[in-house]
Amino acid sequence: EAQVTQNPRYLITVTGKKLTVTCSQNMNHEYMSWYRQDPGLGLRQIYYSMNVEVTDKGDVPEGYKVSRKEKRNFPLILESPSPNQTSLYFCASSLSGGYQETQYFGPGTRLLVL
Amino acid sequence: AQKITQTQPGMFVQEKEAVTLDCTYDTSDPSYGLFWYKQPSSGEMIFLIYQGSYDQQNATEGRYSLNFQKARKSANLVISASQLGDSAMYFCAMRDLFGNEKLTFGTGTRLTIIP
Repeated sequence: EAQVTQNPRYLITVTGKKLTVTCSQNMNHEYMSWYRQDPGLGLRQIYYSMNVEVTDKGDVPEGYKVSRKEKRNFPLILESPSPNQTSLYFCASSLSGGYQETQYFGPGTRLLVL
Repeated sequence: AQKITQTQPGMFVQEKEAVTLDCTYDTSDPSYGLFWYKQPSSGEMIFLIYQGSYDQQNATEGRYSLNFQKARKSANLVISASQLGDSAMYFCAMRDLFGNEKLTFGTGTRLTIIP
């Protein structure tokens, strides 16, 4: 089954404790992206990757890191989480970066930073 | 800059009626795609329908259709014969060439179907 998977689905952590949210897709997609969803703000892009070893900042990159060492994986790293990073996080992928390409989303990761 | 506006924070609709969810957009790029996603209470984002800026006809996918009015920069989602399972948050989004290929989302409309 073609899908985007994320782990963990739910995470409670404390301020400053490094964490990684994994994202994997099995569709051989070149483009991958991370979004965060906050009430009243819709979804906002954190980072994106056009292909292996190619990553760039989105609209809200502060406090996050990413890497793309393999085509299928695009982990999101919070080196020192803070309470304002409490949010619902989505990983998404599309075949390419074209405007006509549909982005398919993972199930989401709910993060609470205390 | 790209912008999506959804002016209906919430809507209540009787089951089996048709419903229109409004979406207006702004971009200076002539090449763009418009997308609608559904987010049920379980949280996942489900792709519903796509409309390209050069498409001559309105997109349709089963009970979903997109009323695309390019001159007005609107891309309203129409759901025919609504069902209880349609109760969810609906997001309009746009992707263009000037926005690093990201999806720009509106703030969403919460649709509640009344039995």
